[in-house]
Amino acid sequence: EVQLVESGGDLVQPGGSLRLSCVASGFTFSDYYMEWVRQAPGKGLEWVGRVNSKFKSYATQYAASVKGRFTISRDDSKKSLNLQMNSLKIEDTAMYYCVRDNWGYVNWGQGTLVTVAS
Amino acid sequence: QSVLTQPPSTSGTPGQTVTISCSGSNSNIESYDVSWYQQLPGAAPTLVIHRDNQRPSGVPDRFSGSKSGTSASLAITGLRSEDEADYYCAVWDNSLNGRMFGGGTKLTVL
Repeated sequence: EVQLVESGGDLVQPGGSLRLSCVASGFTFSDYYMEWVRQAPGKGLEWVGRVNSKFKSYATQYAASVKGRFTISRDDSKKSLNLQMNSLKIEDTAMYYCVRDNWGYVNWGQGTLVTVAS
Repeated sequence: QSVLTQPPSTSGTPGQTVTISCSGSNSNIESYDVSWYQQLPGAAPTLVIHRDNQRPSGVPDRFSGSKSGTSASLAITGLRSEDEADYYCAVWDNSLNGRMFGGGTKLTVL
């Protein structure tokens, strides 16, 4: 069974930093693109970014709203996906989901909540 | 404002067929595979259609997807109360070099 388990969500002040992690199991992690999707309270889904697989040199792409502030990385040996978030803004408040891309987001984690507030 | 346009809401009665549209452009829908997600209240989204019209294992055949040019649609036949949820389309956009989601459509089963 495929599982994605996020952690690291917390309350942080504007301008602060936070690191989210996602641990995967049940599939060959290194073979897949892995992505982050977020959802602000009461709002729709927003793509955050992705890290490609080793076959695509671990290239990353980001949404314009987070580019330059967020960094996505992965550790295939630990089957983990990370999201380093710097210079956090109030509008980054959201549930953050880790997703596996397999011709669509077949698998989602349960999400981890990030709240940016003073 | 999303580059993919969905109606904010739609409704139907049990047994009816509803269709949700997703309008985009040649840099997204016309060029890449479209996926559709269902999000029940308080839950993470789940994939109901991928590769424009393919159902993942376990998704009822009441759900179907189609695409023509720069628009895509999700149809739900034999509407059931448990279909009441938010639905999102998603697709890669090569001009923005990122994945885009539609704004979401809230389906109410009357």
